[in-house]
Formats: sequence, C-alpha cells, structure tokens
Amino acid sequence: GAGVSQSPSNKVTEKGKDVELRCDPISGHTALYWYRQSLGQGLEFLIYFQGNSAPDKSGLPSDRFSAERTGGSVSTLTIQRTQQEDSAVYLCASRYVSYNEQFFGPGTRLTVL
Amino acid sequence: SQQGEEDPQALSIQEGENATMNCSYKTSINNLQWYRQNSGRGLVHLILIRSNEREKHSGRLRVTLDTSKKSSSLLITASRAADTASYFCATDASLYNFNKFYFGSGTKLNVKP
Repeated sequence: GAGVSQSPSNKVTEKGKDVELRCDPISGHTALYWYRQSLGQGLEFLIYFQGNSAPDKSGLPSDRFSAERTGGSVSTLTIQRTQQEDSAVYLCASRYVSYNEQFFGPGTRLTVL
Repeated sequence: SQQGEEDPQALSIQEGENATMNCSYKTSINNLQWYRQNSGRGLVHLILIRSNEREKHSGRLRVTLDTSKKSSSLLITASRAADTASYFCATDASLYNFNKFYFGSGTKLNVKP
C-alpha cells in the first residue's frame, strides 16, 4: 500500500500562531515517531507512540509542543504560539513493532516568519 | 543526548571511487541502522546490523560494527552520482529501550560525475 504521508508539505506561518501537522502512517504500523530536523542538521527525536501505551514525550522541546494519535492511526503534531526557532522540517515515521526499520514520510517544512 | 555521530560531516569524491562514512555512539546498543536522505526530505532505510554482527553486505553497501569501540562504518563501493545524499546512522536508545532511536548529524556525500 501507500507509504507514510504528511500534510501539509510546506507551511508558512507568522510568529505566535498555532500550527497543526498531520501524519498518516502505513496501515498496520503500530509505532509512530515525530522528529525535527533543522537546516543541515540531524534528526531530533520529539515523541513516540506505540499502540495504546502512553506516548514517550521525552523529546518535546517545550510545552508549546503536543501530539496525539487518534484511533492508533493518524497523528497530529501541534505547535502553539510558534517561534522563529521552530522553523524546521518535521518528519514522521512509522514502524511495524516487530521490525526496527522506520518508514519516513516526506516531511513538512515549517517556516515561522 | 544523541547517540550517533557521523564522520566526516561532508565527503566529496569522483564517480567510481569508494566512500567511507563512520559513526560513533555512546552507550551499548541492540542494533545500528544506516539511512539515506535526499534533498532534506524523508529518510530511506539502507541496512541494519545487530550488536552480535561484525559485518554485513547489501549490494554495493558494506557495514561494519565494532562494539568495543562503539563505532560503525558504511562503505559504498563504486560510487555513482545518484549516491549523492546525506547518510545517517541511527542507534536504539539503550539495551533496554529498543523502541526509541537516536540519529546522528549525518555525512553529506557528493559524488561528482
């Protein structure tokens, strides 16, 4: 089937506004990850969902960041009161729990003016 | 803090030459993965090596793992212009947390035709 999809592909917003980024994982993948990648940098872990377990939120940089995963499928990453330093590519990945390989979406490029 | 760190940060070679990238990590791991990223978008899984393996091959890719030195290398033989991309290593967070992964900052490979 289809791979991991993310929307929007690009988002430009003004400082102080809230944004929502969406991730549709591969069907049947119970693990879902969000990462942030600043320009020319590596991936920064944000949050991890596994089935119905409590998510691992240890990577969220501040309380302005939150994420949810409804029905064990689609996930939304919300950034409130965006700041210029939030500008980055936000990548979502999903994984079948028995395997280590993560399948990445194309990312959402967020620009905060 | 992140586990994997790649070296060099950037590598430029001629088509046909071999490219070697290294990754170092800090704590004991269950496995180490290499990913490739084109144009700052989604990552693609290349190869996984388990902690009890020392070497693994996949096509033109050869990965080695030295757990005593906490390091891995990725060798791309007979490189092609299409190999131009950023390459990242990813390690699981610890022996006891194999659901969370840390990515290094990547090696940017440029293969000149």
